[in-house]
Amino acid sequence: GQQVMQIPQYQHVQEGEDFTTYCNSSTTLSNIQWYKQRPGGHPVFLIQLVKSGEVKKQKRLTFQFGEAKKNSSLHITATQTTDVGTYFCAGLRDSGAGSYQLTFGKGTKLSVIP
Amino acid sequence: NAGVTQTPKFQVLKTGQSMTLQCAQDMNHEYMSWYRQDPGMGLRLIHYSVGAGITDQGEVPNGYNVSRSTTEDFPLRLLSAAPSQTSVYFCASSPPGQGAQSRGYTFGSGTRLTVV
Repeated sequence: GQQVMQIPQYQHVQEGEDFTTYCNSSTTLSNIQWYKQRPGGHPVFLIQLVKSGEVKKQKRLTFQFGEAKKNSSLHITATQTTDVGTYFCAGLRDSGAGSYQLTFGKGTKLSVIP
Repeated sequence: NAGVTQTPKFQVLKTGQSMTLQCAQDMNHEYMSWYRQDPGMGLRLIHYSVGAGITDQGEVPNGYNVSRSTTEDFPLRLLSAAPSQTSVYFCASSPPGQGAQSRGYTFGSGTRLTVV
């Protein structure tokens, strides 16, 4: 079945440093989504990417979708303590059951040291 | 607009007991899903539904049943609880759309279940 791998599993950064998490799929994706989960909370949708090579920005967050549509990254510039949480990527395939089933990576847990 | 509402928030069950986790959404979303979250395992899909009357299995369906009699409700039933089902359960919904037409999921606040 479809697998979505995410690295690193954990990341500790000093406040003000940059942070990047990477996501790789075993199959070509039609759509990749990113979610943030604060400690003790639930996943919250951040953004989705659908086009090959697409880059989207949300303030200090930059999201990229690879040319082959099998990998993606989330980069945070100048982290703040409010960025603490676990970041998940999740992918959908073009057709079949995988086009309905959002498959999640295991997430990257970000800690920010003030 | 309450979004996705899950009840209960916390539950302790004894091995062998059955129970139903409730999920309701008021956004008229056709797609609904149940995920479980375990430490280091991310979110794993249990069952999903693409509309009223239609359900299908996800990655880890064993020990769980679902039904979708209305657009709003998607309950998850544990048939005979086992300690391996100790987890945090999330219900999620989204507007219809496959693949590239999909839109982001809205998650409920979760049910923390402990089976002893």
